[in-house]
Amino acid sequence: DAMVIQNPRYQVTQFGKPVTLSCSQTLNHNVMYWYQQKSSQAPKLLFHYYDKDFNNEADTPDNFQSRRPNTSFCFLDIRSPGLGDAAMYLCATTGLTNYGYTFGSGTRLTVV
Amino acid sequence: GNSVTQMEGPVTLSEEAFLTINCTYTATGYPSLFWYVQYPGEGLQLLLKATKADDKGSNKGFEATYRKETTSFHLEKGSVQVSDSAVYFCALRGNQGGKLIFGQGTELSVKP
Repeated sequence: DAMVIQNPRYQVTQFGKPVTLSCSQTLNHNVMYWYQQKSSQAPKLLFHYYDKDFNNEADTPDNFQSRRPNTSFCFLDIRSPGLGDAAMYLCATTGLTNYGYTFGSGTRLTVV
Repeated sequence: GNSVTQMEGPVTLSEEAFLTINCTYTATGYPSLFWYVQYPGEGLQLLLKATKADDKGSNKGFEATYRKETTSFHLEKGSVQVSDSAVYFCALRGNQGGKLIFGQGTELSVKP
């Protein structure tokens, strides 16, 4: 059973039109992450939540925002998508400090 | 800071060939080490992990040994299959928890 669920799997949005990607987890973990991945490059961390504490990476554009209304759900909002924001967006969660992350299947975002 | 370096791809092998993907790391303390696999269009899946020196992680015929003396965690498989074609990411997480640091990924293509 999937433990980190991302919806939708594929999202097409228009240039400049706000879009929201969602992630839910059934593991009850404190920490949730959002990554951007382009063309089989290494995933790039955008931000993460430790409980409700939001931690933004220094180089994450202001165009990217996030919300975490409860432990299970986390959302990625792109306020004005540009063509360069087309990518795979990956959500992940983790528990114990020496464990890896559990990733969702990702959302492939296309900007037209 | 912590970092991970992987051999560059793409790596192309014939079915049943032996696979090695090199991974070296730089880290303070005693990090945990991971290999993730990403099949086309999918998210990242944890393939195997090792949390202390000399540990061997193994899964689905893949193995990697945590070598602190050489700061390495090379991925090996004795006989690859076409279904192993994917991108493989080496990663580490510091012993105080914190972010997962990825290598740049190595694309593996296995031909029949």
